[in-house]
Amino acid sequence: KQEVTQIPAALSVPEGENLVLNCSFTDSAIYNLQWFRQDPGKGLTSLLLIQSSQREQTSGRLNASLDKSSGRSTLYIAASQPGDSATYLCAPLRAGGTSYGKLTFGQGTILTVHP
Amino acid sequence: GAVVSQHPSRVICKSGTSVKIECRSLDFQATTMFWYRQFPKQSLMLMATSNEGSKATYEQGVEKDKFLINHASLTLSTLTVTSAHPEDSSFYICSAREAGVSYGYTFGSGTRLTVV
Repeated sequence: KQEVTQIPAALSVPEGENLVLNCSFTDSAIYNLQWFRQDPGKGLTSLLLIQSSQREQTSGRLNASLDKSSGRSTLYIAASQPGDSATYLCAPLRAGGTSYGKLTFGQGTILTVHP
Repeated sequence: GAVVSQHPSRVICKSGTSVKIECRSLDFQATTMFWYRQFPKQSLMLMATSNEGSKATYEQGVEKDKFLINHASLTLSTLTVTSAHPEDSSFYICSAREAGVSYGYTFGSGTRLTVV
């Protein structure tokens, strides 16, 4: 059974800092991994999708890396802004077995960026 | 990009009544959709996998008679909470993705259900 752990659980930083959010997963048999953000009371917004064959993906100030063999992914946020405040979730997509096609979520990292 | 529309966003119902939540893929066809439940300050818990034209697959511990799922078309899945009770109050979210594993999942905006 896939287990996903995200560290840190919460992060509070002043505006402008570069941030590192970590995600580890126990089963490396994945198709891809997605990073999402969730604002309070809202659904999930996809930030980045990394295929299992890729090492990293970038979108604006966000960069995500994937080390499939070691079961790790990292989300880098450059020059953080108050608007980045949200819960960040990583979710690997299982490649096969009874969990085929299912995402497994970590508990998330609650990010607060203050002015 | 792919868009998933979920309605209603909020619903308050009386204990014992049933509530239907709709999830639509607006610009793509989804043979499979997923329903999640989220309690305050917790992560998403997968409830069931909705398959177009066939029965849904429920996760262990989820009552299929309590949470009825219908996936009658390639763009619409519905979740009906039957005989709702206060403990069913939660945030329900659906997701879907375009065919092919190279695509990621798109999530609806969620439904806040409050049973009084």
